Amino acid sequence: EVQLEESGGGLVQPGRSLRVSCAASGFTFNDYAMHWVRQAPGKGLEWVSRISWNSGLILYADSVKGRFTISRDNAKNSLYLQMNSLRPEDTAFYYCTKDRSAAGLYYFDSWGQGTLVTVSS
Amino acid sequence: DIQMTQSPSSLSASVGDRVTITCRASQSIGTYLNWYHQKPGKAPKLLIYAVSSLQSGVPSRFSGSGSGTDFTLTISSLQPEDFVVYYCQQSYSTPPTFGQGTKLDIK
Repeated sequence: EVQLEESGGGLVQPGRSLRVSCAASGFTFNDYAMHWVRQAPGKGLEWVSRISWNSGLILYADSVKGRFTISRDNAKNSLYLQMNSLRPEDTAFYYCTKDRSAAGLYYFDSWGQGTLVTVSS
Repeated sequence: DIQMTQSPSSLSASVGDRVTITCRASQSIGTYLNWYHQKPGKAPKLLIYAVSSLQSGVPSRFSGSGSGTDFTLTISSLQPEDFVVYYCQQSYSTPPTFGQGTKLDIK
């Protein structure tokens, strides 16, 4: 069974940094692209970033480009999102999601439970 | 970015009803359309991908159709666990974008 478990969320002041992580199990992690998708409390879904199986293709939403960095460690079956220069509008649940393909076709077939990042002074 | 618009935003129905949710893309996306549902306090779950392919484990009362810009999700006979929020999502281009959601509640 595919399992994705996020961690690292919390309360952070505007302008500060935070790194969230995702531990994957139940599938061959390095066979699939991975994504971060976020959801502000009570709001809709927003794709944040994508990383291919070998980290060769990385893409970001315009709203986070230049501030967020996605990475993965296939040896540790882990996905990361380094978030710098955080803004109040970054407040959201951050979901780690698995793609159906290695390169990334944007079919999010498995999701973690989410980790809440709150940006506030 | 491709805009995805769902209608209605909310829908009241009864157990056993047949319901349809519509999703419209701001430009043609071929058959790159997926549907998710989300239970309160939980992560979204993939129901249907590529317009009409059921994700493993999803009941056959769910079905999808459409192409180009107009798509539908149909639930043939509503069960109590189906009264949640539904999202469509285009996987045609970067960034992938979601509809605003349709909340299905019990009449």
